[in-house]
Amino acid sequence: AQSVTQLGSHVSVSEGALVLLRCNYSSSVPPYLFWYVQYPNQGLQLLLKYTTGATLVKGINGFEAEFKKSETSFHLTKPSAHMSDAAEYFCAVMNPNFGNEKLTFGTGTRLTIIP
Amino acid sequence: NAGVTQTPKFRVLKTGQSMTLLCAQDMNHEYMYWYRQDPGMGLRLIHYSVGEGTTAKGEVPDGYNVSRLKKQNFLLGLESAAPSQTSVYFCASSYGRGGRINEQFFGPGTRLTVL
Repeated sequence: AQSVTQLGSHVSVSEGALVLLRCNYSSSVPPYLFWYVQYPNQGLQLLLKYTTGATLVKGINGFEAEFKKSETSFHLTKPSAHMSDAAEYFCAVMNPNFGNEKLTFGTGTRLTIIP
Repeated sequence: NAGVTQTPKFRVLKTGQSMTLLCAQDMNHEYMYWYRQDPGMGLRLIHYSVGEGTTAKGEVPDGYNVSRLKKQNFLLGLESAAPSQTSVYFCASSYGRGGRINEQFFGPGTRLTVL
C-alpha cells in the first residue's frame, strides 16, 4: 500500500519569504510523485511531477520539488512567495506498476500569504 | 477544448433521494476517476474506469455506483443519499496509455449537500 503524509495542514509565510511545504511518502516500489494546487472553489491543477531521472523537478509558477529517496520525501519549495500563491496544495503518490494511474493524495496544506 | 466538465455544480438533496452526477471529457482520455473531498481528508477515490464499459472500486465506494457507457462520459450515482455523502465531488481523467505517466486533469467540482 502507498500513502502520503503532509506535515502541517496550515502554513503561513510572508510575501517574499521562502515557501516550504512538506510531503513524505510510503511506497513498496519506487513511486511517481505529484504536487497539485487547488485555488478556492476550483478543481486541482498539476504543479509538477517526478517520475524518473533528475530528482529536482521544476514546475509552474516558480515552484520546484526534490525527490529524496533516502528521506522518502518530496517537499515543495518556492524561493519567494507571492500573494497569488495562496491556495491549498496536495501531494500525491502513484504506483507505476498498477497500470491504472491511480493517485493517493495527502490531506493537503493550506498556504496563507501574509502581506 | 473544454477539458473536464461536471454537471451540476451545486445540488441539495434530502436523505433518501437519488441523483446522478455527470462527468464529461473531450480529451479522448481512456481513464476516468471520481473523488470526494472532505475537510482535513484530502481527496479520496470513489470509483474509477480504465476504459469504456469497465469500472472498478476505489477507496470509498460504498453508497455509490458508476457507469462508463461512453468513453467521454463517467456517471456517478447515489441511489439513496445520506448526510455522510455531503461533500465536494471531483471528476478527473488521464490519457492512460502505457509507456508514459500521465497527469490527471480535474473538473471544477460538484458541491453536494444532503439534508
